[in-house]
Order: sequence, then C-alpha cells, then structure tokens
Amino acid sequence: DTGVSQDPRHKITKRGQNVTFRCDPISEHNRLYWYRQTLGQGPEFLTYFQNEAQLEKSRLLSDRFSAERPKGSFSTLEIQRTEQGDSAMYLCASSLGIGNTIYFGEGSWLTVV
Amino acid sequence: DAKTTQPTSMDCAEGRAANLPCNHSTISGNEYVYWYRQIHSQGPQYIIHGLKNNETNEMASLIITEDRKSSTLILPHATLRDTAVYYCIVRVSNTGNQFYFGTGTSLTVIP
Repeated sequence: DTGVSQDPRHKITKRGQNVTFRCDPISEHNRLYWYRQTLGQGPEFLTYFQNEAQLEKSRLLSDRFSAERPKGSFSTLEIQRTEQGDSAMYLCASSLGIGNTIYFGEGSWLTVV
Repeated sequence: DAKTTQPTSMDCAEGRAANLPCNHSTISGNEYVYWYRQIHSQGPQYIIHGLKNNETNEMASLIITEDRKSSTLILPHATLRDTAVYYCIVRVSNTGNQFYFGTGTSLTVIP
C-alpha cells in the first residue's frame, strides 16, 4: 500500500504523559498536513509542512504540541503533558505540490485517561 | 476560504442515486469545490473536485451550477458501503491552503 501511513493507530495514555505520532506521506509528496478530529466534528487543521519547513500553525496547536519533519519525508507530532481534552483522532495528509489533491491517512486515535 | 452549507443527514435506498447538495454562495472565482467522505473511524477519502464544469469519475459525478453558488455530488447507484459522512469543501487550488472541513452530511444507505 502506498498511501499515507500513520503509527500507532491507537494510543491510550495517562494524563500528563507525552505521546508521539508518526506519519509517512505518499512517496514524493512534498506537502504534509496534520489535522485533529473529535467525535461528531469534521477534521480541524493543525499545521502543515512544505518539505522540512513548517509553514503554518493553527491556533489549536498549543505550546504542548510540536510537529517536525526533519528531512522532508516522515513527520512526527508530539503532545507533551497530555490532557483529557487531547483525546481525538489525529490525521495526517499529504499532497504533491501546491494546489493538488490532499490524501489522508487512516488516523491515530488518542485516548487520555 | 468560502464556507459551505450541507444538510446534516440524508437517507438513500440501496441501488438508487444519492444526490448530496452543497451551498457555497460566497465562493470566489479561483476556488475549487472538493468532496471527501469519511467512513466511520477511517480517514477522509477523496472523491472528486471541480472548478466550473461538471466532473465525473469512477466514484461519483459533480454537478456545479452555472453561478457556482451550489453543487451536487451524485453517487449513481448507492451501496451500503457508501454510508458515510460527506464533506463539501471549497479551496483555492493555486496556493498551499489546506482544507477547512465543516460537519458534512451523514448519508445512510438503506437496504
């Protein structure tokens, strides 16, 4: 399968712990996006990269959240000191260049207990 | 990006055409209309997009009104596997702008 890959698919963590999600975009896609989705809502934009540069961050991306894409390929999204409100599905997506269709991964579910 | 308005939910009989409407009255001339769907607990799946002309692919057809203020996604022969939330999004395609999703239309295909 050559789609967007996310890992882990499910994560249960205790409040206050740090978690990290990984995203492998479609090969050669230079744009990578992170979204968050809570139950009953559509996906909400968090941030996106063009190659290794993080070009935009949403107000939803608090100081506890950090995303990286060190070599312009895979990306990681880290949440520090998790809170129960962080429980959501974290979606990664990628596209080839500006203006092209964005393809999503299957998401990583986070439950903070 | 312009906002879209979609019905909250719709039903469709299996084998019949499903017609999902979307209003985007504030759409700009360079904004495309995109449709995605999301089956429970999965990531959004791209369906189709268009600018002015009607578009068709193996999944669906997209009909855009002449004034571009509304569009309709048509699933010609709905199956139970088409039960999902369908999102209509408008986006400027020649920039790096990401998508802004609304709450979509929950389509239920009934046997």
